[in-house]
Amino acid sequence: DSGVTQTPKHLITATGQRVTLRCSPRSGDLSVYWYQQSLDQGLQFLIQYYNGEERAKGNILERFSAQQFPDLHSELNLSSLELGDSALYFCASSLHRDQGNEQFFGPGTRLTVL
Amino acid sequence: AQSVTQLDSHVSVSEGTPVLLRCNYSSSYSPSLFWYVQHPNKGLQLLLKYTSAATLVKGINGFEAEFKKSETSFHLTKPSAHMSDAAEYFCVVSDRPLNTDKLIFGTGTRLQVFP
Repeated sequence: DSGVTQTPKHLITATGQRVTLRCSPRSGDLSVYWYQQSLDQGLQFLIQYYNGEERAKGNILERFSAQQFPDLHSELNLSSLELGDSALYFCASSLHRDQGNEQFFGPGTRLTVL
Repeated sequence: AQSVTQLDSHVSVSEGTPVLLRCNYSSSYSPSLFWYVQHPNKGLQLLLKYTSAATLVKGINGFEAEFKKSETSFHLTKPSAHMSDAAEYFCVVSDRPLNTDKLIFGTGTRLQVFP
C-alpha cells in the first residue's frame, strides 16, 4: 500500500459526460501528479501540482482540468468525454518538487466511456 | 528532449533463471532514471532509482540496474526469477530540463515467468 488513495476505483459513463476523479496524497507529500495509461498511448504524464499550485503540464487535453486543494488532495476533471478517454488514470505523490524524488502511485481509477 | 526506449516488449524466462530487461535513454543532461513495476490490476511501485550516485543501483526484491553513460543504458537485472516477478516493468526518466518531477515512461516490458 503506497499511502495514496484514489476514488472511485471504476467509473463507467457515456460520451459527452463529465466526471471527477479524486486523489489523496500520502501524508506529508506536497506534490501530486496525474498520469493516463491507455493501450495506444502508454503511460503519459498529464499535470503536476505542488502545494496548491500548478507546477508542470504534460499532454493534458483542454477538456481536462485539475486542481489541488488546501488539504492537498487533488481532483482531475474530465469533460465532454470521448470514447478515446477510456483509460486508467493514476495519481502519484511525492514530498518535494525536485529531481529524483520517488513518486508513490495510487491504485488508479479505471474510466470506461461508452 | 528526454526519452527512454525499452528494447523488448515481452521477455519470457523460466523460474530460477536470470532476468535482463533492457533500457536505453536519451538525455542532454545527467538524468534521473527509475524502474517501476506494475502487477496486474495494481498501481506502479518503484523498484529502484539512479540519481547520479553509485552507478550500480540495488532495488527491492533482488533487482538491480547499472547506469552506463557510455552506452546510455540502464538495464534491469535479477539473478534468479521468481514466479511473483511476472509483471509489467517500466523504465522511466525524469524530465530534468524543466526541473520538475515529470516522469517520461518507456513503453513497458512484460515479463513472463514459467515454472
